[in-house]
This record gives sequence, C-alpha cells and structure tokens, in this order.
Amino acid sequence: KAGVTQTPRYLIKTRGQQVTLSCSPISGHRSVSWYQQTPGQGLQFLFEYFSETQRNKGNFPGRFSGRQFSNSRSEMNVSTLELGDSALYLCASSTEGRGAETQYFGPGTRLLVL
Amino acid sequence: AQSVSQHNHHVILSEAASLELGCNYSYGGTVNLFWYVQYPGQHLQLLLKYFSGDPLVKGIKGFEAEFIKSKFSFNLRKPSVQWSDTAEYFCAVNPTGGFKTIFGAGTRLFVKA
Repeated sequence: KAGVTQTPRYLIKTRGQQVTLSCSPISGHRSVSWYQQTPGQGLQFLFEYFSETQRNKGNFPGRFSGRQFSNSRSEMNVSTLELGDSALYLCASSTEGRGAETQYFGPGTRLLVL
Repeated sequence: AQSVSQHNHHVILSEAASLELGCNYSYGGTVNLFWYVQYPGQHLQLLLKYFSGDPLVKGIKGFEAEFIKSKFSFNLRKPSVQWSDTAEYFCAVNPTGGFKTIFGAGTRLFVKA
C-alpha cells in the first residue's frame, strides 16, 4: 500500500505570496491532519479534515486554510506569506482520525519564505 | 489549553547506556498517548502508544513507556541504546474521542558509537 505523499517536496516563496500544498493520504484513510514543524517548537497542529469537513483547528491565523476533496486528498493554503511561515509542513492520515489511531506521516513539504 | 512538555531538548548518550525521556501532558480527562520517532531522513513513525489497559506499553526496537496517570506522565525508556537509535523523539497526546493530537517539542537523541 502506498504511503502518504506530499507535493511539492520543496518550495521557495517570497513574502506576500501565497502557497498551496497537497497531501494524498493512504488509500482508505479518510482523516487528514496538517502540522507545522519548526526547530524547537515540535509539531504544531494546524487542522484536521474528515469526509471533506474540518473537525478541528489549531491556533493559527486565518491566513492558513485547508480543504479536503471527496477522494480524501487534502490541500492547505497559506496566503500573504511571512518569513515566520518557513517550516516543514507535515500531513498525516488515519482511518477515522479518532483517539487511539496511529497517524501515518508523509515526507513533508519544506517551505522557505524569503 | 492542552499541552505536552518534553523535559529534554537534546540528549547525548553512549551506546549501551540506558535511556529515559520525560513527557508530561496537561489534560484532565482520559487520553491516548503516543511516542513517535523521526530517524534522520525518514518520515515520522509510531514507536508505541497507550490507550487503555496495562500502563506499561512496549513498542518497536526494544522501547517501552509507562503511563502514570497521577503524574500525567508518559516517559519513554530503553535499557540499552544503540547508535541506530539516534533520532528525534516526539511525545503526543490525543484526548479520548478527540480529533486533535498535540505534540511536544521533541527530544533529539544522539548516541555515540
């Protein structure tokens, strides 16, 4: 079974631009979560989607948004990029996204904002 | 707000030394607890998890963790580390029935050969 895939793997943008990142979950997984990983901060929860619905959201500004499609693929968008948005963005999928389920992580998209 | 605290940001050990990484969480209800590991150049992957039953859980590669409810702790242990255990370790908590997993800041472990 193919793992979680994320595209693109690397991205360089300038301040003020916007970016869209994509995540394809493991086949059969309907829950997709997004995290921002930075040195010293660990993984910060962005949001979680299940069956095209956002069920939970972290403490990020409204510039960060996401969506999920009927095939469970998910995208996240960051508008008006700031230097502090430079990070590794990780996507994780699981079957139902509940409690004790293991999350399976993708390789991440490394975003650099100049 | 829920949070996870990992006591050490960096740990350096020699091979065969024993390992204990601390993890405390703040949440009053029942929780599911996880340790994930990120080896250099690899994806984050599950090391072990606790959701009910025996508070001492065993994971892959000889790791184990003990859930102590009264201390809100879920410390990771390994009796004898190997060079290949060099990685970053993340503790995480998910309230039972919730859809949001909170991760700690991570602990970078370096094992000297």
